[in-house]
Amino acid sequence: KQEVTQIPAALSVPEGENLVLNCSFTDSAIYNLQWFRQDHGKGLTSLLLIQSSQREQTSGRLNASLDKSSGRSTLYIAASQPGDSATYLCAVGPNDYKLSFGAGTTVTVRA
Amino acid sequence: GAVVSQHPSRVICKSGTSVKIECRSLDFQATTMFWYRQFPKQSLMLMATSNEGSKATYEQGVEKDKFLINHASLTLSTLTVTSAHPEDSSFYICSATHTGSNQPQHFGDGTRLSIL
Repeated sequence: KQEVTQIPAALSVPEGENLVLNCSFTDSAIYNLQWFRQDHGKGLTSLLLIQSSQREQTSGRLNASLDKSSGRSTLYIAASQPGDSATYLCAVGPNDYKLSFGAGTTVTVRA
Repeated sequence: GAVVSQHPSRVICKSGTSVKIECRSLDFQATTMFWYRQFPKQSLMLMATSNEGSKATYEQGVEKDKFLINHASLTLSTLTVTSAHPEDSSFYICSATHTGSNQPQHFGDGTRLSIL
């Protein structure tokens, strides 16, 4: 059974600092890995999707890396802003695209 | 594009009531929809997968007679929590995807269900 772990569980940084969020998974036989953002009491917004054959994806200030062999992914958010405050979820999908989620990292960016 | 609408956003009702939650894909055909449950500060747990026109596949430990899922069209799936009890109180989220490999799931805004 796939286990997804996210460390740290919570993170508070001053505005402008770069954010590094970690995700690890136990079964490296994944189809893809996704990073989502969840605002409090809301649904999920997809940020980045990395295919199993890829090593990273970038979108604006966001960059996600994937090391499938070691079961790790890292989400980098450059020059954080207060609007980046949210919970970030990592999820991995097997061949039938059922996602296994981590518990998330709750980020607070202080102005 | 790829908008998923979930309704209602919040429900408060008495124990024993049945509650229906709708999940609609507004601008694409959702061949597959997923229903998740999320407890506070915990990850999303997949409850069931539904494909249009066929019976839903439930995850282990999820009672199919308790959580009725209908996916009658390519744009609508419903989850009915039957005879809800306080322990069913949770945040329920749906997602939808369309046919094709590596298509991302698009999530609704969730439904906060509170059973008194």
